[in-house]
Amino acid sequence: DAGVIQSPRHEVTEMGQEVTLRCKPISGHDYLFWYRQTMMRGLELLIYFNNNVPIDDSGMPEDRFSAKMPNASFSTLKIQPSEPRDSAVYFCASSSTESLSYNEQFFGPGTRLTVL
Amino acid sequence: AQSVSQHNHHVILSEAASLELGCNYSYGGTVNLFWYVQYPGQHLQLLLKYFSGDPLVKGIKGFEAEFIKSKFSFNLRKPSVQWSDTAEYFCAVNTGANNLFFGTGTRLTVIP
Repeated sequence: DAGVIQSPRHEVTEMGQEVTLRCKPISGHDYLFWYRQTMMRGLELLIYFNNNVPIDDSGMPEDRFSAKMPNASFSTLKIQPSEPRDSAVYFCASSSTESLSYNEQFFGPGTRLTVL
Repeated sequence: AQSVSQHNHHVILSEAASLELGCNYSYGGTVNLFWYVQYPGQHLQLLLKYFSGDPLVKGIKGFEAEFIKSKFSFNLRKPSVQWSDTAEYFCAVNTGANNLFFGTGTRLTVIP
């Protein structure tokens, strides 16, 4: 398996623009997580899905952030409009409840977002 | 609410020195515990995990961690660090639901 795939790896945009981050979880995993990593706040859970359904979005910072999972193999995190304080590395992770690695999360390479 | 504390923000060691990184959590029930490592420019990778059984857990690359329930701790150790261990280390706790609570991380710098 190729692991969790994220795109793009780097994104530079201007304040006010819409940004869409993409994630493909490991095939067969039924949980998907979006995290944000910054120097100041460390690694924060934004939202997670189970079987494509959002379970907990309490970490989403504000209405400018939205996440979707239209099917088991694809998720997006959208920021509209983007602001400089959104600059961070955004990680996607997936896990499975039916494997011996229950509760172990497998992380993607991350998307480094810079908002100018 | 659950929380995970990593009190060492940045640790600097010389090669061959011994390492211990602290991790404490606040939750009174059953927990699963993890240490993840993030090498420079890379994504998080699992180093080791504890679910049950022997509280001394051995992971990859010579790392181990000990779960001390009475102290709510899960400290990471390595007897002799290498330059290649330079990375950021994250402790994480799972309390039953399928999400993880991460500590803020400890940056380890190993000087050759």
